[in-house]
Amino acid sequence: AQSVTQLGSHVSVSEGALVLLRCNYSSSVPPYLFWYVQYPNQGLQLLLKYTSAATLVKGINGFEAEFKKSETSFHLTKPSAHMSDAAEYFCAVRLALSFGGYNKLIFGAGTRLAVHP
Amino acid sequence: DTAVSQTPKYLVTQMGNDKSIKCEQNLGHDTMYWYKQDSKKFLKIMFSYNNKELIINETVPNRFSPKSPDKAHLNLHINSLELGDSAVYFCASSQDNERSNYGYTFGSGTRLTVV
Repeated sequence: AQSVTQLGSHVSVSEGALVLLRCNYSSSVPPYLFWYVQYPNQGLQLLLKYTSAATLVKGINGFEAEFKKSETSFHLTKPSAHMSDAAEYFCAVRLALSFGGYNKLIFGAGTRLAVHP
Repeated sequence: DTAVSQTPKYLVTQMGNDKSIKCEQNLGHDTMYWYKQDSKKFLKIMFSYNNKELIINETVPNRFSPKSPDKAHLNLHINSLELGDSAVYFCASSQDNERSNYGYTFGSGTRLTVV
C-alpha cells in the first residue's frame, strides 16, 4: 500500500537558515507526491508536486523538493528560512483506486516548522 | 473569488445535536472530498464524490452522511454529535481523470467543537 512518513514532527530553524523537511514514501508504482502547507487556522495550500517529470521540483515561496527513487524520498528544502514560513507542512502521496481512475491523497502526519529570529 | 468555500467556519454545538457543513467549489472539478483533521493535525479522508456519485466511503460512523446535490456542492451532515467528533473538517476538490496530476484544492476548514 502507498504511504508517506514524515520524519520529525517538529523542526526549528533560525531565520536565514536552511529548511529541510523529510518525507519518505512507500509505493509499488511510480508515485505522485505533493507537499502542502497549512498556516495557523487556515486550509491547506499546495506548495509543489512531483508527477514523474523532473526530479527536482520547484514550488511557491522559494521551496523545492527532490524526488529520489533510490532513497524513496521527497524531502522539502528552502535555502533561507523566513519568519513567515512558520507553519505545518504535509507530505502526501496519491493512491490510485482500483476502479474508475479515481484516487485519494494519503497524508503524512505533518511537520511543524518553527522559525526563530 | 474563493475556489473551495466551506460554511460555517466555526461550529460549536452540544452533544446529541445534528449539524451540517456545506461546501461549494467554483473550479469546475468533477470530484469533491471530505477530510477530517484531528487534534494532532492528522488528516484522514472520509468521503469522496465524483459527479454526484459516492466513490469513497472510508470507515466512518454512519452518523456521518454526505450529500452531493450537484458536482459543485458536497455537504456533510452529522447526526447525534459526540465529543470525539470535535475536529477540523476540510472540503477539497480535484479534476479526477487518468491524465490529472494536480493536487487537491482545499477549503479553509470548519472547526467543529462538541461540548
